[in-house]
Amino acid sequence: NAGVMQNPRHLVRRRGQEARLRCSPMKGHSHVYWYRQLPEEGLKFMVYLQKENIIDESGMPKERFSAEFPKEGPSILRIQQVVRGDSAAYFCASSPPGQVNTGELFFGEGSRLTVL
Amino acid sequence: AQSVTQLGSHVSVSEGALVLLRCNYSSSVPPYLFWYVQYPNQGLQLLLKYTSAATLVKGINGFEAEFKKSETSFHLTKPSAHMSDAAEYFCAVSEGGGSNYKLTFGKGTLLTVNP
Repeated sequence: NAGVMQNPRHLVRRRGQEARLRCSPMKGHSHVYWYRQLPEEGLKFMVYLQKENIIDESGMPKERFSAEFPKEGPSILRIQQVVRGDSAAYFCASSPPGQVNTGELFFGEGSRLTVL
Repeated sequence: AQSVTQLGSHVSVSEGALVLLRCNYSSSVPPYLFWYVQYPNQGLQLLLKYTSAATLVKGINGFEAEFKKSETSFHLTKPSAHMSDAAEYFCAVSEGGGSNYKLTFGKGTLLTVNP
C-alpha cells in the first residue's frame, strides 16, 4: 500500500522561474494538505483541498502561490516567479474521508525547493 | 494562536537508556496534541495524540506522552531506547474547532541512539 508520493524530491530553480510540486495521496484518501517548512522553523499549514475544491487556503501566501487537486491526477502546488525566500521543504499530507478533523495526517517525504 | 516549543534540536542517548523529548505548547483553546516521527527517507507518521481523554497517552513502539495542563507540556518518553528509534520527532498542536487538520509544529528534535 503506497504512501503519499511527492515529486520531485529535490528541485532547484533560479529566481523568477516557476516551481511545480506534485503530490499523490494515499489510495482511498480524498483530502490533501500542503505544509511548508522554512529553514529553522516548524512545518506550517498552507492549504487544504478536496477533489476540484479548495477548502481552506488560509495559510497560503497571497501572491505567487496556488494549489489544485483536479478530478484526475495529483495535487499540484505551484509557485510562480520564485524568490530566495521560497526555499523550503514542502510537505504534502492526506487523510481518508471522515477523518478530516482528527489531526491524523499521512505525510509524504517532502519536496525540497532551492532557489538560486 | 497556537505555538509549540521543542527544547533541544538534537538529543543523543545510549541504547537501553531513557528517552525524553520535551515539548511545550501554547493554545487559546483546549488542544489536541500530537507527536509525529520521521524516519530516514520516509514521511512523517503519527506516533501518538492527546484529545482530552486520558492524560497519559500510549503510542506505537513503546512511546508515551503525558499531558500536563499546569505546565503546558506534552513530553515524549520511552523507558529504553532502541537503535531503530533514531529519527526526527515533531510535536504539534491543532487549531481546534473544526480545523484540527491545521497543525502547528515545533522545529523538531533529532534523536540519535548510540550503541
